[in-house]
Amino acid sequence: EAQVTQNPRYLITVTGKKLTVTCSQNMNHEYMSWYRQDPGLGLRQIYYSMNVEVTDKGDVPEGYKVSRKEKRNFPLILESPSPNQTSLYFCASKGTGDQPQHFGDGTRLSIL
Amino acid sequence: GENVEQHPSTLSVQEGDSAVIKCTYSDSASNYFPWYKQELGKGPQLIIDIRSNVGEKKDQRIAVTLNKTAKHFSLHITETQPEDSAVYFCAPSNGPGGSYIPTFGRGTSLIVHP
Repeated sequence: EAQVTQNPRYLITVTGKKLTVTCSQNMNHEYMSWYRQDPGLGLRQIYYSMNVEVTDKGDVPEGYKVSRKEKRNFPLILESPSPNQTSLYFCASKGTGDQPQHFGDGTRLSIL
Repeated sequence: GENVEQHPSTLSVQEGDSAVIKCTYSDSASNYFPWYKQELGKGPQLIIDIRSNVGEKKDQRIAVTLNKTAKHFSLHITETQPEDSAVYFCAPSNGPGGSYIPTFGRGTSLIVHP
């Protein structure tokens, strides 16, 4: 089954404790992306990757890092999480050209 | 970058009524126009899309219309049902020659009352 898998689905942690949210897709998609979703603000793009070893900042990249060492994986790293990063996070992937995005089921992060 | 606006932000209808959500974009090079539905606790999923060489596309109770001159496209849902209750997002993008990177609207919360 074609899917985007995020882990963990839920995480409560404390300020400053490094965390990684994993994202994996099995559709051989070149493009992958991370979004955060906050009430009233819709989906805001954090980082995206057009292919392996190619990453670019989205609209709200501050406080986040990503890597794309393999085509299928695109982890989101919070080196020193802060409470304003409490949010619902989505990973997505798509094929080249005018193609729809496929989203994971989301990761709810709470930073205390 | 692309500026995308969705209206209304909230839409409340009675079961069986029609619902229309409008998405306005700024980049005249945009040529791919999808609509996504996000149900509670899940990620957005594509429900219908249209490309710039087509003015309208229909799939059972849902349809999308595109006005490239005015730079807007709309989602139409007829005979609404309670399971249509969700948040809907538009996400236009451009290409070829562009980035193909979509810009999402802020979403429309559709509530269908039984």
